[in-house]
Amino acid sequence: GENVEQHPSTLSVQEGDSAVIKCTYSDSASNYFPWYKQELGKRPQLIIDIRSNVGEKKDQRIAVTLNKTAKHFSLHITETQPEDSAVYFCAASIKEYGNKLVFGAGTILRVKS
Amino acid sequence: DAGVIQSPRHEVTEMGQEVTLRCKPISGHNSLFWYRQTMMRGLELLIYFNNNVPIDDSGMPEDRFSAKMPNASFSTLKIQPSEPRDSAVYFCASSSTGFEPQHFGDGTRLSIL
Repeated sequence: GENVEQHPSTLSVQEGDSAVIKCTYSDSASNYFPWYKQELGKRPQLIIDIRSNVGEKKDQRIAVTLNKTAKHFSLHITETQPEDSAVYFCAASIKEYGNKLVFGAGTILRVKS
Repeated sequence: DAGVIQSPRHEVTEMGQEVTLRCKPISGHNSLFWYRQTMMRGLELLIYFNNNVPIDDSGMPEDRFSAKMPNASFSTLKIQPSEPRDSAVYFCASSSTGFEPQHFGDGTRLSIL
């Protein structure tokens, strides 16, 4: 079955710096890769996603890149702000399994002001 | 636009009692997912339904857990009898078919004493 590894488990950056979180997946049939942000005590919220036919996607300060050959994808946050502090989860899914997502273990991002 | 609605938001009960968690997916979504989140194990998929039919329940921890989806707008997750190790936050999520993302409810924080 699919397995998703996420690194680092914690990340501290200074406000204004960039943050990068990386995930690797095991099943080459995976074709959809969302990223979720979860603030303390709240639900996971989708922040960006990418499909396997696209190598990069950007939305303001957030971007995701996908390397299908190496089976890894990354979240990039530029010009970090204190409100970016949260837990970030990557996930991978295989369409044939009805959009079943396998989540990474999460990264705690702290943005220091 | 109403999101995924879960009830109750918080549940505190004694060991051995039956617990029922409820979920109303987003109208028009035909996939529904139940997750459990703990510090130790992260986000675990318990079971998911497509068009009200259970597709994969391999994540259900044991026979004490059961889930139903009697119609497209309602699902329940039941634990009977409950144990302290079942204490966690339980999330319900729904999505459409294809590459549509999963949208999470606000979760039920369950404490078994």
